[in-house]
Amino acid sequence: KAGVTQTPRYLIKTRGQQVTLSCSPISGHRSVSWYQQTPGQGLQFLFEYFSETQRNKGNFPGRFSGRQFSNSRSEMNVSTLELGDSALYLCASSSTSGGANEQYFGPGTRLTVT
Amino acid sequence: QKEVEQDPGPLSVPEGAIVSLNCTYSNSAFQYFMWYRQYSRKGPELLMYTYSSGNKEDGRFTAQVDKSSKYISLFIRDSQPSDSATYLCAMTMLYNNNDMRFGAGTRLTVKP
Repeated sequence: KAGVTQTPRYLIKTRGQQVTLSCSPISGHRSVSWYQQTPGQGLQFLFEYFSETQRNKGNFPGRFSGRQFSNSRSEMNVSTLELGDSALYLCASSSTSGGANEQYFGPGTRLTVT
Repeated sequence: QKEVEQDPGPLSVPEGAIVSLNCTYSNSAFQYFMWYRQYSRKGPELLMYTYSSGNKEDGRFTAQVDKSSKYISLFIRDSQPSDSATYLCAMTMLYNNNDMRFGAGTRLTVKP
């Protein structure tokens, strides 16, 4: 079974721009969660989508948004990029909503904001 | 003070050693505790998942939770060079909630 895939793997953007990251979950998984990983703050939960609905949201500003499509693929968007948004963005999928005991992470998208 | 504290290491041990990794936390509402392993340039991989206090064993790995002390541990027996990775603890309050709190991660190197 193919794992979680994320595209692109690496991205360089300029302050003020916006960016869209994509995540394809494991086949049959309906939940996709997004996380931000930085050296200073570690891994932080952004939000979770299940069956095209946002189910949970972490403590991030409204510049961070997401959506999920009917095929469970998910996109995350960051508008008006700031230098502090440079991070590894990870998505994880599970078959059930909030399935912390069965989450499978993708390799991440490394975003650099200059 | 962070909700979850984890010594970032780095930790270096010889092959075959017993490794002890630990996290402390401040929020007594945490009920579910996880350990993840993250290799360089990879996403985290779930190693152990435990509920409330007690021990759980899986092969060379043992997870311990002491809720009274707000302290969790992961033990690795007979450590191998392939265990070299960053180990992250994580915890959440509700069963069906991915809003987990993660430790900073401990970088482990097992030398042959």
